[in-house]
Amino acid sequence: DGGITQSPKYLFRKEGQNVTLSCEQNLNHDAMYWYRQDPGQGLRLIYYSQIVNDFQKGDIAEGYSVSREKKESFPLTVTSAQKNPTAFYLCASRTGAYGNQPQHFGDGTRLSIL
Amino acid sequence: AQSVSQHNHHVILSEAASLELGCNYSYGGTVNLFWYVQYPGQHLQLLLKYFSGDPLVKGIKGFEAEFIKSKFSFNLRKPSVQWSDTAEYFCAVTLNTGGFKTIFGAGTRLFVKA
Repeated sequence: DGGITQSPKYLFRKEGQNVTLSCEQNLNHDAMYWYRQDPGQGLRLIYYSQIVNDFQKGDIAEGYSVSREKKESFPLTVTSAQKNPTAFYLCASRTGAYGNQPQHFGDGTRLSIL
Repeated sequence: AQSVSQHNHHVILSEAASLELGCNYSYGGTVNLFWYVQYPGQHLQLLLKYFSGDPLVKGIKGFEAEFIKSKFSFNLRKPSVQWSDTAEYFCAVTLNTGGFKTIFGAGTRLFVKA
């Protein structure tokens, strides 16, 4: 079955450590997205990528970094510069030709900083 | 800055009541509009979308939404809600900013009393 796989489901890290969240899709979608979901704030866009080797900052990119070396993969690194990293992180993808296509979402990763 | 506003954060209705959830966006260019729903413990899934044509669009499970360009609004409606509509509803807008940036509102939690 085609879909988006995020791993791990739960992640615990000590303060000051960088941590990388995985997102892989086998839908052959061009565009991929990372969101952070906090209670009462909806989904806030961290980074997005329309094509391989290109990505753009979203509304809350500070303290995060991404790469897009392969079409299928869009890993997110939460760096020690992110002041409040404990949150639920969602990865999404869509076919990239037109913006009228809906996004498909992964199951999410819940990150807790100890 | 571009943004999406959902006016109601929590809504409680009795079964058979009518529903209207407000959504406004701030962006002067061409947009594609979406409503997503997240049932407890499930992925976000598409309810309906608008990108051109008839501004009144129909989605799954009896939902509909109307795009009013002059008001920058895309309100979601359902004439008669059911207990199974209990979920969180998100309005989203895709902007063509060189890539297709998709931003979400804060969400509305709907609880339908049986």
